[in-house]
Amino acid sequence: EAGVAQSPRYKIIEKRQSVAFWCNPISGHATLYWYQQILGQGPKLLIQFQNNGVVDDSQLPKDRFSAERLKGVDSTLKIQPAKLEDSAVYLCASSLAGIEQYFGPGTRLTVT
Amino acid sequence: QKEVEQNSGPLSVPEGAIASLNCTYSDRGSQSFFWYRQYSGKSPELIMFIYSNGDKEDGRFTAQLNKASQYVSLLIRDSQPSDSATYLCAVNSGGGADGLTFGKGTHLIIQP
Repeated sequence: EAGVAQSPRYKIIEKRQSVAFWCNPISGHATLYWYQQILGQGPKLLIQFQNNGVVDDSQLPKDRFSAERLKGVDSTLKIQPAKLEDSAVYLCASSLAGIEQYFGPGTRLTVT
Repeated sequence: QKEVEQNSGPLSVPEGAIASLNCTYSDRGSQSFFWYRQYSGKSPELIMFIYSNGDKEDGRFTAQLNKASQYVSLLIRDSQPSDSATYLCAVNSGGGADGLTFGKGTHLIIQP
C-alpha cells in the first residue's frame, strides 16, 4: 500500500511570495489533515477535511492560508503572501477510521 | 486552549535499560492518547494509542494512562540505540477522527 505522498519536498521563497503544497492521501482514506511543524515543536493542526468538506480549520490563518480538497482525494495548501514565521515543515496526514493517522514525508518551507 | 506538556530533554538512557517518557494534558475531555516517534528530518510515525485507564503493552513498548491525573506515559524496555529519536505525545477530544494536539516532544538518546 502506497503511503501519503507530498510535493515538493523542499521549497525556498522570499517573503511576500506565494507557495502551494500538494498532498495525495492513502487510497480510500476519507480524512485528511494538514499540520505545520516549526523546528523544535510538535505538529500543529491547520485544517482537517472529511471527504471534501472542512471539519476543523480553527487554527488556519485564513488571511494568508487556504486549502482545498477537490473530489475528496488530493489536497492543496496555499500560503499567500508568505511571512518569515511560516518557515516550517508542512505535514499532510490521512486516516481511514480516524484512529491511526499516517503522515507523509512533509514539505520543508524556508521563507527568506 | 488544549495543551500537552512534555519535558523536552534530552533524556539519556543506557542501552538495555528502561526509558520512561511522560506527558500531561490540560483538556479533561480528551478521549484518545497517542505516542509518535520522529527521527530527525523524518515525519512522525505512530507507536501506540490508548483509550482506557491502565496499561497497554505492545512488544517492548507500554503506554500508561491515568485520566484522573491527566497523565500519559510511555515505557520502552530493553532500549536500543535505534530508539534514539524524539517522542511526541498527542491527544484528541473526539471519537478518534479529530485532529491531534501534540506536545513539543521529548528527545531520547540511548547510549551504547
